[in-house]
Amino acid sequence: DAKTTQPPSMDCAEGRAANLPCNHSTISGNEYVYWYRQIHSQGPQYIIHGLKNNETNEMASLIITEDRKSSTLILPHATLRDTAVYYCIVERGGSNYKLTFGKGTLLTVNP
Amino acid sequence: DTEVTQTPKHLVMGMTNKKSLKCEQHMGHRAMYWYKQKAKKPPELMFVYSYEKLSINESVPSRFSPECPNSSLLNLHLHALQPEDSALYLCASSRVGGETQYFGPGTRLLVL
Repeated sequence: DAKTTQPPSMDCAEGRAANLPCNHSTISGNEYVYWYRQIHSQGPQYIIHGLKNNETNEMASLIITEDRKSSTLILPHATLRDTAVYYCIVERGGSNYKLTFGKGTLLTVNP
Repeated sequence: DTEVTQTPKHLVMGMTNKKSLKCEQHMGHRAMYWYKQKAKKPPELMFVYSYEKLSINESVPSRFSPECPNSSLLNLHLHALQPEDSALYLCASSRVGGETQYFGPGTRLLVL
C-alpha cells in the first residue's frame, strides 16, 4: 500500500509559488519525508527532506504539519524548467534506505 | 562532481542476446542502486549494493544479474530478457547511511 497520497496533477503560472501537497497519515516516528522530482526522460533528482521541522534549501521549502500527517513542498518562484513529476516519499532514513516511489504529482508550469 | 553516468543511453536487444548496462560514479559513494521504470510508472527498486556487496534484491528474476566490481562501478548483466522487460533502467548512488540518492540519466532498453 502507498504510504503517501498526492494529487495526480497541478498547474502553476510561471513566476508564482507552486505548493505541492502530500498526505502521509500513517507515517512512523522514525520516517522521513523526502521529495524528488523527475523531469521528462531524465533520472529523478533529490529536492529536499525533513523529519519534523520545516526545511529550506536553494531549491525549495518543505513544510511539515505538527502531527506529521501531511506536508507541502513549496517552489517559491516556479519556472518552465520546474515542469516535472514530483514524488513525495516516506521512508526510514539511514543505512541502505529504500526509496519507494508513489505515483507523484505532475506539475505543469505555464507561461 | 555529483554526476552518475550510465551507458549506453539506449539499447535494443533480442530475447536471446546478452548485454550489460554500466553505471559509474566518482563521489566516493559506497551504496549503489538499480531501479526499473516502466512507461508512465514510478521507478521501482531492483537491487542495492553496500560496500560492493549485494544487500537488497527485490525478488528480481535471475535474467537480471547485478555486479559491483569496485566502489565506483555498477553493472547490470542482461540475459534472455522478455519484451515486458523493456523499460528505463536507472542507477543511483549514495553514502551508506546517507539521506540523498543521486540518479543517473538512465538506459532506455527495448527488448524485441
